[in-house]
Formats: sequence, structure tokens, C-alpha cells
Amino acid sequence: DAGVTQSPTHLIKTRGQQVTLRCSPKSGHDTVSWYQQALGQGPQFIFQYYEEEERQRGNFPDRFSGHQFPNYSSELNVNALLLGDSALYLCASNEYRDSYEQYFGPGTRLTVT
Amino acid sequence: GENVEQHPSTLSVQEGDSAVIKCTYSDSASNYFPWYKQELGKRPQLIIDIRSNVGEKKDQRIAVTLNKTAKHFSLHITETQPEDSAVYFCAASTWNYGQNFVFGPGTRLSVLP
Repeated sequence: DAGVTQSPTHLIKTRGQQVTLRCSPKSGHDTVSWYQQALGQGPQFIFQYYEEEERQRGNFPDRFSGHQFPNYSSELNVNALLLGDSALYLCASNEYRDSYEQYFGPGTRLTVT
Repeated sequence: GENVEQHPSTLSVQEGDSAVIKCTYSDSASNYFPWYKQELGKRPQLIIDIRSNVGEKKDQRIAVTLNKTAKHFSLHITETQPEDSAVYFCAASTWNYGQNFVFGPGTRLSVLP
């Protein structure tokens, strides 16, 4: 039973560019959340997707957008990258109705130069 | 919005001793409180959680207590072992058409042999 997977593992981008990160939820999970974790800090909630809709959003600008596909996988898009966007981006999945427990993927390390 | 504070930021204990990490939250609507352990370079892993209708939960050497009136919850680890060394994060979640998680800043626990 595969857990949460993310791709790519690492990514280097230049300021102003755009990036897309991908996440496949744990088998049986239908809800995906995205987090940004800066070095030495706790994860910060970006948004949560269920039934292909954004259900909750944290305090992030519109440069951060997402999508959920019918197979429950998800993408995080970040436009007009800033140096401050450099962080570990974590995806977490859970069952929307039956469980609050979120399981995290290994993350994508994004470096903006 | 929700704000989660966590103390202490670092904690060193001798192997076999107990460790206690405390978190406070601000939003009385929060109803789910998970604790995550994150080892260096790895994903956060859920170690225990508690819902707002329960005051205490225990799983072997780990326990969590919740005081809804005071809006604080604590993680207790007994008989600590070197493999307990990691960063621990608390979080609070509110439900409104989806979950919105707010994480604390983390506690770096070192268990000295």
C-alpha cells in the first residue's frame, strides 16, 4: 500500500519563474493538503482540496494555486517565484469524512535563486 | 485566525526521563489536535492526536492531554529513548467545509544517553 508520494524531490528555479509540484495521496484517501515548511519552522498550511475544489486556504497570496484531479492526485503551482518561496513543500492526505489524520509525503525541496 | 504557540523550543532530557511539551491555541472552534515527530530530513509523522471531546489519550509511552477551557494541550513522553530525539510539532485544526491546520513552531527534543 503506497503512502503519499511527491515529485520532484528537489527543484531549483530562478526568481520570476513558475513551478508545478505534484502529489499522489495515500491509497483510500480523497483529500489533499499542501504545506510550506521553511527551514527551522513548522509547516504552514497553504490549502486543502476535496472533490476537485479548494475547501480551505491559509494565508498565502494568489500566486499559489492548486488543482485536484479525479483520481485525487493534486498539483501545487507557484507563479512569479520569489527568493522567499524557497522551502520544503509538503503534501498531506486524509479521508474527508471519516478521519482527520493527515499523512505527509516526503516533500519537494524548492530552491529559488 | 488561529494561533498556536509551543514551548519549550528546545528540550534536553536524560535517557529514561520524561519529556513534556506544551501548546496553546487561540480559536475555541478548534476541535482536533495532532502531534507530529519530524526527524532530520524526513517527513512529519503523526504520533498521537486528540479530539476536542476527549481530555486525555495514551499510546504506550506517549500521552496527550487537552484542556479546552484553558485552550492548551500537552505531549508527554515517558521513559525517553535516544530514538525519541527529533523535532515535535503540535497543531490545531478547525472544521469549516474542510480542515485548516495551524502548526506550532516546533520543539527540538534531545535525549542524552
